[in-house]
Amino acid sequence: GENVGLHLPTLSVQEGDNSIINCAYSNSASDYFIWYKQESGKGPQFIIDIRSNMDKRQGQRVTVLLNKTVKHLSLQIAATQPGDSAVYFCAEKGGGTSYGKLTFGQGTILTVHP
Amino acid sequence: DVKVTQSSRYLVKRTGEKVFLECVQDMDHENMFWYRQDPGLGLRLIYFSYDVKMKEKGDIPEGYSVSREKKERFSLILESASTNQTSMYLCASSRSLVFKSNQPQHFGDGTRLSIL
Repeated sequence: GENVGLHLPTLSVQEGDNSIINCAYSNSASDYFIWYKQESGKGPQFIIDIRSNMDKRQGQRVTVLLNKTVKHLSLQIAATQPGDSAVYFCAEKGGGTSYGKLTFGQGTILTVHP
Repeated sequence: DVKVTQSSRYLVKRTGEKVFLECVQDMDHENMFWYRQDPGLGLRLIYFSYDVKMKEKGDIPEGYSVSREKKERFSLILESASTNQTSMYLCASSRSLVFKSNQPQHFGDGTRLSIL
């Protein structure tokens, strides 16, 4: 079946560095992608989203890149801070999927060292 | 900001009990979802609802049922709890695609349920 996966399950960076979290997806009909952050003991928190008609979208300190040719999604975090330490999930919505159902990746653990 | 509230953060129940998990959202969202989250398995969709009294099975509905009597409230029911239903349960809501295209789901902070 269709699935969303991650290249790296863990990522360790130094405070102030830039972080890049990657995600591969297999459903070429997916038309909407989301990145979530989940801190320990909390639910997933929406970070940024991107529609399939875009290649790049920027938020505050975060950028999402979408490469539809190779079905790859990435989240870039600039000047990573200890508070960014969390599990990051990508999610996709299949094109034509009703009611906004999402398929989630397994998650990447980001650890930021001071 | 969207607020999704789950009634309990931690819950301990016994095998065979009927368990109710409650979720309320305050943004008038049409869609509501119940997931369970387990290490190594990620988020798996149990049931979702796109309108009051409407429900659809997700990927792992066995052993669960749901109720949506009011738009803001979505309940997950474990008819006869078993130990393999020990998990983190997450509720989410989103705006209907009919009204606004491609909106993210917003999550509650989860209920950690232990079945003894």
